[in-house]
Amino acid sequence: QLQLQESGPGLVKPSETLSLTCTVSGGSISSSSYYWGWIRQPPGKGLEWIGSIYYSGSTYYNPSLKSRVTISVDTSKNQFSLKLSSVTAADTAVYYCARQRWELPEGWFDPWGQGTLVTVSS
Amino acid sequence: DIQMTQSPSSLSASVGDRVTITCQASQDISNYLNWYQQKPGKAPKLLIYDASNLETGVPSRFSGSGSGTDFTFTISSLQPEDIATYYCQQYDNLPLFGGGTKVEIK
Repeated sequence: QLQLQESGPGLVKPSETLSLTCTVSGGSISSSSYYWGWIRQPPGKGLEWIGSIYYSGSTYYNPSLKSRVTISVDTSKNQFSLKLSSVTAADTAVYYCARQRWELPEGWFDPWGQGTLVTVSS
Repeated sequence: DIQMTQSPSSLSASVGDRVTITCQASQDISNYLNWYQQKPGKAPKLLIYDASNLETGVPSRFSGSGSGTDFTFTISSLQPEDIATYYCQQYDNLPLFGGGTKVEIK
């Protein structure tokens, strides 16, 4: 059974870079059928897609975050990572990683990691 | 850019009631729409994909319909365990989630 687990600091200072890693177990991140995505959810608010990566390194980003986001993949460790630079309090959120089927007519996220809360505060 | 309008933002219904949530896209997205359930403190769970296909293991009281710009998610008989927030998600272009609908028991 495929499982995803987010890891990284729970507290980041304003203007610094948020860094998270998602470890995939029970399957290969190098599967040709899937992308791997990051989604976030500010406290009490809705879901926002951040970006996605294919095992080859091809990436797609939310235009509203593109200037600050970098997503990378390490197939040897079965992991993919998120970096979000110049963070502010508005970036405080639960960050989820998820497997993404993105080959029309399919485009769903499943499964998801449990999520990790990142707070931006000095 | 595609905009997704999900309504209502919240609703209260009795056990056994039929519950309907709608999602409207600002342009034609064919059937490129999914529905998720998120229980408090948990990650979202995929319920419906490609607008009307029930994910394996999901109870048959959940259903989805629609194509183009107008989509509907239905719980045919609301159960206490269905208390959650439900989100639509389009993928005609870059992924985009609707604003969510919080479902409560009356």
